[in-house]
Amino acid sequence: QVYLQESGPGLVKPSETLTLTCAVTGASITRYYWNWIRQPPDKGLEWIGYTHYTGQSNYNPFLRGRGTMSVNTSKNQFSLTLRSVTAADTALYYCARYNGDYRSFDFWGQGTMVTVSS
Amino acid sequence: DVVMTQSPLSLPVTLGQPASISCKSSQSLVHSDGNIYLNWFQQRPGQSPRRLIYKLSTRDSGVPDRFSGSGSGTDFTLKISRVEAEDVAVYYCMQGTHWPFTFGPGTKVDIK
Repeated sequence: QVYLQESGPGLVKPSETLTLTCAVTGASITRYYWNWIRQPPDKGLEWIGYTHYTGQSNYNPFLRGRGTMSVNTSKNQFSLTLRSVTAADTALYYCARYNGDYRSFDFWGQGTMVTVSS
Repeated sequence: DVVMTQSPLSLPVTLGQPASISCKSSQSLVHSDGNIYLNWFQQRPGQSPRRLIYKLSTRDSGVPDRFSGSGSGTDFTLKISRVEAEDVAVYYCMQGTHWPFTFGPGTKVDIK
């Protein structure tokens, strides 16, 4: 079975940088594309972007260049760095595996809550 | 971006009765390979989303057969043949045909 576990700081001040990590067990990080998806409080789901161990990444345009994703193959984990955060970035952040055969997200983590506040 | 809409946004149902959720996309979800990459996710209270259906109508392993997906082009439907208490959740459709992938706003299903 595939498991994903997010970790992060919980609270970040406005204009600072947020870094989240997703640890993957049960699947090799080199075999799939890995995604971040977020859910603001009492709102719907929003795809943030994906990354691949080759360095290939693709981001949702709403990030406006603030985001960077990367893969650490030695730890079988991947990360999201989001710069210049604002209150609008307050959300529950999920990591998820992308299955290209079905163009879908088949395994999700439990999510980590991030609050942007001074 | 492809805009996904759902209706209704709230759906009170009676246990044992059927339920149906509509999802519409702002453009066709027929991929150049001929497939329709429309997914349905279930998010129970306090849990992360769980995929129920992918590629329009294929149920994930372990998903009860009372859940079914159908549709074509821009109009899609998730049906629950007989609602059970464990089906109380928010249901999201998501398109995987066009990047960026986008989700519908969600339909909250609860028991009358």
